[in-house]
Amino acid sequence: GAGVSQTPSNKVTEKGKYVELRCDPISGHTALYWYRQSLGQGPEFLIYFQGTGAADDSGLPNDRFFAVRPEGSVSTLKIQRTERGDSAVYLCASSLAGWNEQFFGPGTRLTVL
Amino acid sequence: AQSVTQLDSQVPVFEEAPVELRCNYSSSVSVYLFWYVQYPNQGLQLLLKYLSGSTLVKGINGFEAEFNKSQTSFHLRKPSVHISDTAEYFCAINFGNEKLTFGTGTRLTIIP
Repeated sequence: GAGVSQTPSNKVTEKGKYVELRCDPISGHTALYWYRQSLGQGPEFLIYFQGTGAADDSGLPNDRFFAVRPEGSVSTLKIQRTERGDSAVYLCASSLAGWNEQFFGPGTRLTVL
Repeated sequence: AQSVTQLDSQVPVFEEAPVELRCNYSSSVSVYLFWYVQYPNQGLQLLLKYLSGSTLVKGINGFEAEFNKSQTSFHLRKPSVHISDTAEYFCAINFGNEKLTFGTGTRLTIIP
């Protein structure tokens, strides 16, 4: 079956611009996660959805970051007024249950010039 | 405080030699433990997991790990490595709050 997909695979933008990153989870997975991986680091948690609602958004670095999952499937991570420090690989994962294995997508590499 | 530590940032190993990648954690609650592998320019793939039961768990590609609660460790081992094992390995822990906390990763380099 299809795994987690993320689009675009690469995104280059200029400082101050708005970007949207999309995640399509595995069908039937109710839990969806966003992580951010900076160069040479492990992934860092951003936000977790259970169904349509954000159950834990404690990892979002500031109010420029926002994510939605309106129908409990596809999710969009939105970043306003991008900064160079936002450059990283943004990973999406989905799971049947929060405590079990998370399946990761290939990531979106965001570069802010 | 809850944390995950991978002490070795890089581990070079000769082909067909054994390898151990270390992972330690700090927690006051029960944990679920995972090892993920990231091949160059690819996404994260699960190698193995410990949720409960036997503390020795076997995963894909000949890897295994042992959960040691008293030493708060979950080291990854393979008896004989291959060139194809060259990758970044991440220990990840669920501290009972559904999100994963990752270590900083260990880059495994296989020397022919």
